[in-house]
Amino acid sequence: GESVGLHLPTLSVQEGDNSIINCAYSNSASDYFIWYKQESGKGPQFIIDIRSNMDKRQGQRVTVLLNKTVKHLSLQIAATQPGDSAVYFCAENWNAGNMLTFGGGTRLMVKP
Amino acid sequence: GAGVSQSPRYKVAKRGQDVALRCDPISGHVSLFWYQQALGQGPEFLTYFQNEAQLDKSGLPSDRFFAERPEGSVSTLKIQRTQQEDSAVYLCASSQRQGANTEAFFGQGTRLTVV
Repeated sequence: GESVGLHLPTLSVQEGDNSIINCAYSNSASDYFIWYKQESGKGPQFIIDIRSNMDKRQGQRVTVLLNKTVKHLSLQIAATQPGDSAVYFCAENWNAGNMLTFGGGTRLMVKP
Repeated sequence: GAGVSQSPRYKVAKRGQDVALRCDPISGHVSLFWYQQALGQGPEFLTYFQNEAQLDKSGLPSDRFFAERPEGSVSTLKIQRTQQEDSAVYLCASSQRQGANTEAFFGQGTRLTVV
């Protein structure tokens, strides 16, 4: 399939380790945040979301942390697996508006 | 269907040709979004429909871009007189509720190459 991103920041981790992917968002008024995973040749796939009234939200093997003070979002993946290899995008929305604004993406590579 | 379906999967157009990209959203989904994704970048918003109403077209890059969703289900993104800078992946997404502050499901996209 096509490469999703040729010059993205890359995080390389060993299988079984934990991964942390960071994102700085742009709008201090944003109140909804979402992480998407995009594999080569595919559309973005929802991972987890969080609203601004929360600091942390957990899913299956994933945790999202929100620090509104410094406009920072992170995605933690526990026990990273080869199937987690993909490009990860954070996105933000404010005031229930009509669009998501996506960040530039981070490529996660998992070494077996 | 089980997910958002887009067609064609790939499209090669000669510069100056018109193209039409189709999106079949998840049945019953109120909201439908179009995004453009250039190589190596995140998706960028083009336009938003709530049912058949196009509520936001602020992201359409020029008047050569036109989108419609006449019956509140299938949507078509049309690009007239294609230019090389239109080459990108065009993604469609749908969601159950109105607005973008809720989980949206994306299709696989249409990769447009203008030669």
